[in-house]
Amino acid sequence: GAVVSQHPSWVICKSGTSVKIECRSLDFQATTMFWYRQFPKQSLMLMATSNEGSKATYEQGVEKDKFLINHASLTLSTLTVTSAHPEDSSFYICSARLQPGQYLYEQYFGPGTRLTVT
Amino acid sequence: GENVEQHPSTLSVQEGDSAVIKCTYSDSASNYFPWYKQELGKRPQLIIDIRSNVGEKKDQRIAVTLNKTAKHFSLHITETQPEDSAVYFCAAGFVSGNTPLVFGKGTRLSVIA
Repeated sequence: GAVVSQHPSWVICKSGTSVKIECRSLDFQATTMFWYRQFPKQSLMLMATSNEGSKATYEQGVEKDKFLINHASLTLSTLTVTSAHPEDSSFYICSARLQPGQYLYEQYFGPGTRLTVT
Repeated sequence: GENVEQHPSTLSVQEGDSAVIKCTYSDSASNYFPWYKQELGKRPQLIIDIRSNVGEKKDQRIAVTLNKTAKHFSLHITETQPEDSAVYFCAAGFVSGNTPLVFGKGTRLSVIA
C-alpha cells in the first residue's frame, strides 16, 4: 500500500524558535496533502490543505504566518512552525490522498511528529 | 461544510462481547465513510470503509453499516479482543477529489480481559 513518511518523529525546541516538519509520499505522487494537529486525547483537527505548486489553504483559526506550508514537489510537503510557543506542543500528522485518476482513493497518514516546545 | 458527530466518546466492553460505535454526518453529498483505528502515539490506520452505494460491509470481525437516509453509519466489532483497545475515528468525505476527510471526535474503546 501507499506510504507516507514524516520527519522528524519527535522534536523538542525552545520557545521562540522555528521547527520544520517534512512529509513525503514514498511510492506515489500526491498533488494534495493535508496537515492535521492532534492534542492529547482529542480528535484530528485539519489545519491546512497543501497543494503542489500553489498556496496552501488554511482552516479557519489557523494562522498562516505561523504555520508555513510549502509543497514544492509531488512527493514533499513541509510544515514550519514559526516562533513556536508551548501551546503549539502537539502531535502533527500529515496525510495524502492518491492522485485523482488512480484506483485507490484512501487517505493515508504519516506516522506523526510530536512537537514539544519548552 | 461537513460535520461528523461520534458516540460514545468512551466504551468499555468485556472480552468476547461486541462493540458498536455510531456516527452521524451532515452533508448528504458525502459518499465515502472510512473508519480509522489509532493506537497510542501512532498514526491512524484504516480498518474498513464503505461507499454510499453500499449499505453494509464486513471484514472478519468488523462490519460497517450505512443509512444514507438518516445520514448515519456505525462500526460493529464482534468477539472483541484486548488488542482491539484503541481510539476509533469515523470520517466522512468524498471518494475522489482532493478534499480531506472530516473526522469525528473519536471513541476510546477498552476491551477488558
